[in-house]
Amino acid sequence: DVKVTQSSRYLVKRTGEKVFLECVQDMDHENMFWYRQDPGLGLRLIYFSYDVKMKEKGDIPEGYSVSREKKERFSLILESASTNQTSMYLCASSPPVGSARGQAYGYTFGSGTRLTVV
Amino acid sequence: DAKTTQPTSMDCAEGRAANLPCNHSTISGNEYVYWYRQIHSQGPQYIIHGLKNNETNEMASLIITEDRKSSTLILPHATLRDTAVYYCIVRTTSGSARQLTFGSGTQLTVLP
Repeated sequence: DVKVTQSSRYLVKRTGEKVFLECVQDMDHENMFWYRQDPGLGLRLIYFSYDVKMKEKGDIPEGYSVSREKKERFSLILESASTNQTSMYLCASSPPVGSARGQAYGYTFGSGTRLTVV
Repeated sequence: DAKTTQPTSMDCAEGRAANLPCNHSTISGNEYVYWYRQIHSQGPQYIIHGLKNNETNEMASLIITEDRKSSTLILPHATLRDTAVYYCIVRTTSGSARQLTFGSGTQLTVLP
């Protein structure tokens, strides 16, 4: 069963801490994504990556950075955590958009990491 | 990407068909219609997608109108486990990778 695995289900961090959220996929997907989900605001794209070492900003990149050193792993970094970054974080992966695989399978999401910054 | 409009919430009796509508009146010719659902506290799950023909898989059926301006996701025999938020998304198959934008979705509640 193919999957996207997020390293932590729940995480509590202190304001100002540097936080790493890890995501690993076993589907050999080229694209990987980080979203955050907040009540009333839906899913919002933070960053995405379409290849190793490549990244692009999404709609709300401020306060975040990402790292993709290997194809299967995409890390989201909160450089200095703040309380307004308390949220559910969702990682996803997909084949290239224009490929037959990309059309057929869409996105596969992880189960999410619920981060609380205190 | 074309914007989608869905009802905020719907109820359905267990065992009955759940029909979830979606309007996408500004859809363009190269945009597919995708449906995902999100069960509470889990990541979204792919259900089905289509371009212009009706589609069916083991989870659901997708009916797309001839003008492609709207579609309906059908869960033929809803169960309590189908209670979730259902997202209708239109997505191009060209350009960069970022064209998966989730709206507010429809909260489907299956009632016993």
